[in-house]
Amino acid sequence: GAVVSQHPSRVICKSGTSVKIECRSLDFQATTMFWYRQFPKQSLMLMATSNEGSKATYEQGVEKDKFLINHASLTLSTLTVTSAHPEDSSFYICSASFYSSYNEQFFGPGTRLTVL
Amino acid sequence: TQLLEQSPQFLSIQEGENLTVYCNSSSVFSSLQWYRQEPGEGPVLLVTVVTGGEVKKLKRLTFQFGDARKDSSLHITAAQPGDTGLYLCADRTNAGGTSYGKLTFGQGTILTVHP
Repeated sequence: GAVVSQHPSRVICKSGTSVKIECRSLDFQATTMFWYRQFPKQSLMLMATSNEGSKATYEQGVEKDKFLINHASLTLSTLTVTSAHPEDSSFYICSASFYSSYNEQFFGPGTRLTVL
Repeated sequence: TQLLEQSPQFLSIQEGENLTVYCNSSSVFSSLQWYRQEPGEGPVLLVTVVTGGEVKKLKRLTFQFGDARKDSSLHITAAQPGDTGLYLCADRTNAGGTSYGKLTFGQGTILTVHP
């Protein structure tokens, strides 16, 4: 149980375009979803926390107008990287939790974004 | 802001050797977790420790939590190539509100076990 999927697993796009990444909880209803960013050989950096039906809470230094997060249902959250640039190339990972799991986070497999 | 420091950052050893990875916090852990992440995948939870002085074992992995709940170690006995990966410690906040369940990660230890 507690499986989280991400789509796509890899995406390559041109500079200036927007990219949408989906995060789905497959067998549970996620009250909270988290989005992380990870550069090569580095740790995970939390970008934002989203609760279903409310606006995401962004970490300091993360541009909310550039990284749009939508958590419209209890099983789906999306991260849209708007006007992507090469410096946005990274590994984006989502996680999901639900209250009765004592807020244990279950991680998705990640999405590798490459901006040319 | 809580800071988690892991050491060493990189570890390259031969199969069969033992190793220890350390995680130190600038403040008391709420709930300490250790994760392992393989390249191109999400992190996988190995263990959660809550009580100071706690020791947990998972096959060849031994996790210790300091009495003061500000430090932890992960010891691997007889390392195997399949243990290769990024090991991350994290503190899971139990604070209320929108921070509930939020994870703060250490910078990680990259372990390479050579056959």
